[in-house]
Amino acid sequence: DIQMTQSPASLSASLGETVTIECRASEDIYNGLAWYQQKPGKSPQLLIYNANSLHTGVPSRFSGSGSGTQYSLKINSLQSEDVASYFCQQYYDYPYTFGAGTKLELK
Amino acid sequence: EVQLHQSGAELVKPGVSVKISCKASGYSFTSYNMHWVKQRPGQAVEWIGVINPESGGTDYNGKFRGKVTLTVDKSSSTAFMQLGSLTPEDTAVYYCARDVGSSGYWYFDFWGPGTMVTVSS
Repeated sequence: DIQMTQSPASLSASLGETVTIECRASEDIYNGLAWYQQKPGKSPQLLIYNANSLHTGVPSRFSGSGSGTQYSLKINSLQSEDVASYFCQQYYDYPYTFGAGTKLELK
Repeated sequence: EVQLHQSGAELVKPGVSVKISCKASGYSFTSYNMHWVKQRPGQAVEWIGVINPESGGTDYNGKFRGKVTLTVDKSSSTAFMQLGSLTPEDTAVYYCARDVGSSGYWYFDFWGPGTMVTVSS
């Protein structure tokens, strides 16, 4: 199985700040990577797919980048509604696997 | 509007099985695969498996093979997941999720609200 190592596990940032979350795959996943946002008690919401494509309706302050085994999610100009958990998922190969998640809080 | 409606929370005893449902609306049910995932507090989400609603064909995570059975009822646009021989480690929120994509790259664009399954004596 492909292992997804996500960092950091938690993150505290101020409004307006830029934050970056990273995922490292145990092997090349050829951009088969998605990022999801999950708020407490809610189901995950797709943010980014194919490593760098913004899902419909997602604010442009979210962006994804990377290739090979290294990927990142960047949130520009952090807003209060961005407080949530974020996790990555590889869908290059079965079984699909997920990062352990990053909990983003306001400083 | 795409919606996935899941059945309600379940409290079950160890050793029994449970069947949870995911009713789709707002799109052609047989045109999109349906996946199931498991989420436990403090742990990474786990992919359980996928079913093709048109053919009924399935793929399972080896970890869940023998534990889970995925089925669909095309007439009601509903996907089902049966979990058997439940143990406390099966206590989790289970989500159904529709996939979308192309060229072998399928990601989840809509998720159900989740079904909490609690296994306790």
